[in-house]
Parts: sequence; structure tokens; C-alpha cells
Amino acid sequence: EPEVTQTPSHQVTQMGQEVILRCVPISNHLYFYWYRQILGQKVEFLVSFYNNEISEKSEIFDDQFSVERPDGSNFTLKIRSTKLEDSAMYFCASSVRGRDYGYTFGSGTRLTIV
Amino acid sequence: DAKTTQPPSMDCAEGRAANLPCNHSTISGNEYVYWYRQIHSQGPQYIIHGLKNNETNEMASLIITEDRKSSTLILPHATLRDTAVYYCIVSSQGGSEKLVFGKGTKLTVNP
Repeated sequence: EPEVTQTPSHQVTQMGQEVILRCVPISNHLYFYWYRQILGQKVEFLVSFYNNEISEKSEIFDDQFSVERPDGSNFTLKIRSTKLEDSAMYFCASSVRGRDYGYTFGSGTRLTIV
Repeated sequence: DAKTTQPPSMDCAEGRAANLPCNHSTISGNEYVYWYRQIHSQGPQYIIHGLKNNETNEMASLIITEDRKSSTLILPHATLRDTAVYYCIVSSQGGSEKLVFGKGTKLTVNP
């Protein structure tokens, strides 16, 4: 069964440094998303991306966050100048035609800011 | 999007049906009911969704009451691997693509 692949599975980064989380969505999917889950808390929406642009973002997704689909296969989340509170599991998801067709989530990247 | 209410936890015996309830009394006419689950901090997994008719797929069945104010997700023959947090999410079609996750129901399937 097709999968959404996320790398790395675990990333430790010093506070203030930049980090890039990588995702390879399912090849025929057109909608892409990032969610995060702080330990013990709810899964939270960050951003949706369609047709090479952000279609929606949450209040969490401020100027330190950016997304990119640089080569038609990878989908990346960049966090500039990381803070301790950015520590969380970050999940990438993709969908063939949007929410009503179900999302496929990746297994996540555990980001630890030290 | 309408708010949902789910019990925080449930237990089920292996091989029996697991019936997970969800209340969404403020649901509006164009809002769908989605079910996802999350197995031990893995990424959420899509299960099923519906508007007003009952739905069934290879994973589960979704029963929506006639007034649409509540629904039940049924796992017909629960296995130990179905132990997970189950999320009921209500969201309108069109416009926003995001899913708003609540705390869900922690289902424990016991041998």
C-alpha cells in the first residue's frame, strides 16, 4: 500500500537553529499538509498546500515556518530559529483530492529542541 | 465546525465488536463526520467518513442517527492491533481542508 514517507524519524536541534523536515507524499496525491502533536496534547493543523501554494494555515504557522515542494516529489517544512516549544511530533499528510477522500499520514518526525 | 463529544476511554474484548460513540448535536446540514485513529503516537489513520447514510468499508462501519446528532463507529471484530485513540471529527465540505482533532476515545482491546 502506498505510504507517506518522512525523514528523519528523529531530529535533535539546538535552539535558534534552522531545521528542515522532509516528506515524500504519495505520488498521485495533489493536496499536502503538515500537522504537529506536542507530547500528550492534541494533533494540531499547521498548513495545507495545493497547486504549489499555501491554501490555508493556522495561527501556529507564523513567519518562522515555511513549506516548499522543491522538486515535485518532496514536501518540506522549514522552521527558522527554533524555540523550545517547537518540540513535537510533526506529521506530513497527503490526499488525492482533498479531505473527503481521506488523508494518508506519515509516521512522523520527532523534533526535539535543546 | 461543530464540536464533538467522545468518551475518554473504552475497553473491548478481542474478537468482539467495538462500538465507539460520538455526539455532535450542533452538526449542520453540510457537515460530514470523519473518523481517524492514532496508534501509539504514529500518524493518524483515516478510517471512514459519512454525511447522513450509514457507511461501511473494509475497516469499519459508521452509523449516523437520523437526526445526525450522534454517530457510532463499529469495528466488527476487534483485534489487539485496534488498540488506539479514535477521533470523531465533524467538518463542513468545501472551504477549509483542515481537520480539527479533539482528545478522542482511547480504545483498549483486551485478550
